[in-house]
Amino acid sequence: DTGVSQDPRHKITKRGQNVTFRCDPISEHNRLYWYRQTLGQGPEFLTYFQNEAQLEKSRLLSDRFSAERPKGSFSTLEIQRTEQGDSAMYLCASSRINTEAFFGQGTRLTVV
Amino acid sequence: DQQVKQNSPSLSVQEGRISILNCDYTNSMFDYFLWYKKYPAEGPTFLISISSIKDKNEDGRFTVFLNKSAKHLSLHIVPSQPGDSAVYFCAAKSYNQGGKLIFGQGTELSVKP
Repeated sequence: DTGVSQDPRHKITKRGQNVTFRCDPISEHNRLYWYRQTLGQGPEFLTYFQNEAQLEKSRLLSDRFSAERPKGSFSTLEIQRTEQGDSAMYLCASSRINTEAFFGQGTRLTVV
Repeated sequence: DQQVKQNSPSLSVQEGRISILNCDYTNSMFDYFLWYKKYPAEGPTFLISISSIKDKNEDGRFTVFLNKSAKHLSLHIVPSQPGDSAVYFCAAKSYNQGGKLIFGQGTELSVKP
């Protein structure tokens, strides 16, 4: 068990560019979550998957954001046409059903 | 609408003393509560949890108390150690929300030697 892994750890991009983040959950976990955290705030829920099915998306997830979890294993979060307001820490977590979630170390996105 | 609130942004305690971190919630559908600890540049780490059918859960130096009528929970750390210095997040979820966590804003704990 190597924990939840996120890649990259840091990403700097120019406004208007597309970015993609990857999350590898703990292998036996069937739920995978994406959260976003900005300075001074707690993590905010974005979306979650149970196996390969995306079961809920937050209103925070505009149409520029898309997440996938093909084959119910790793997940990707893509942001199209990035804006400065997208700058944040993007956190991935995984869990079994009805157990606590374990978080990865996050991807810090800076849009310049 | 902040459903989970941590009204103290920071707390400073002396090593060996008790740290008490507080959390209030508004949604009566929440039935499970968790505390996470976060160091800078790392993801949150699960610390301790409590189900709404209990009023206390203890794990070593960490105890979480739940007062459902007041919609309030607290985390007690006894004795506090310098390594406990971190940001602590309270989180809540309800059984019909698929494990989605609602987090408070966090309290930064500083334990001074």
